[in-house]
Amino acid sequence: EDQVTQSPEALRLQEGESSSLNCSYTVSGLRGLFWYRQDPGKGPEFLFTLYSAGEEKEKERLKATLTKKESFLHITAPKPEDSATYLCAVHHMDSNYQLIWGAGTKLIIKP
Amino acid sequence: KAGVTQTPRYLIKTRGQQVTLSCSPISGHRSVSWYQQTPGQGLQFLFEYFSETQRNKGNFPGRFSGRQFSNSRSEMNVSTLELGDSALYLCASSLERDGYTFGSGTRLTVV
Repeated sequence: EDQVTQSPEALRLQEGESSSLNCSYTVSGLRGLFWYRQDPGKGPEFLFTLYSAGEEKEKERLKATLTKKESFLHITAPKPEDSATYLCAVHHMDSNYQLIWGAGTKLIIKP
Repeated sequence: KAGVTQTPRYLIKTRGQQVTLSCSPISGHRSVSWYQQTPGQGLQFLFEYFSETQRNKGNFPGRFSGRQFSNSRSEMNVSTLELGDSALYLCASSLERDGYTFGSGTRLTVV
């Protein structure tokens, strides 16, 4: 069964304490992996798209990497405003472009 | 440029009623997708429209329907509302299916 699993479910960090979020997937023929950030009561905000193993993308304190079975979202020296739920989703060859979403990681950065 | 606009932002309906939600995509985007988001189920795909045609559909009952107009604006309709339909309904538009921009959502409460 095609699945996208995010871990941990929740993560509490002190301001400045770097860490990583994980998104593992069991799909064949990955077409793209997406990372989004979602604040409470708002729609998800697009962060990155990764297409192939070895690809990396960066934006401010965030860096996303991709391997054949998982993706990591690295957060360097986070600030309280980085607190949000981070979602990943995948497109794969047999999904007719329907995104398969993970349940998300709720990140809390304490000042 | 203007983002994805969803109206209304909040809605309270009674069981058995029907509801229509509206989504205006980013100018030039012809693909519009709809999602239901609940705390227990996460993001669940409802359907996708492209150039007025439904080209993908999730596993929701027939009470959930949608349409897209020639200007790419989309509506979704839920008939015979149930308590379990209470959720955040999100619309996302895209140009080439490699990056989806979400609206802020419509919070539907069924009482």
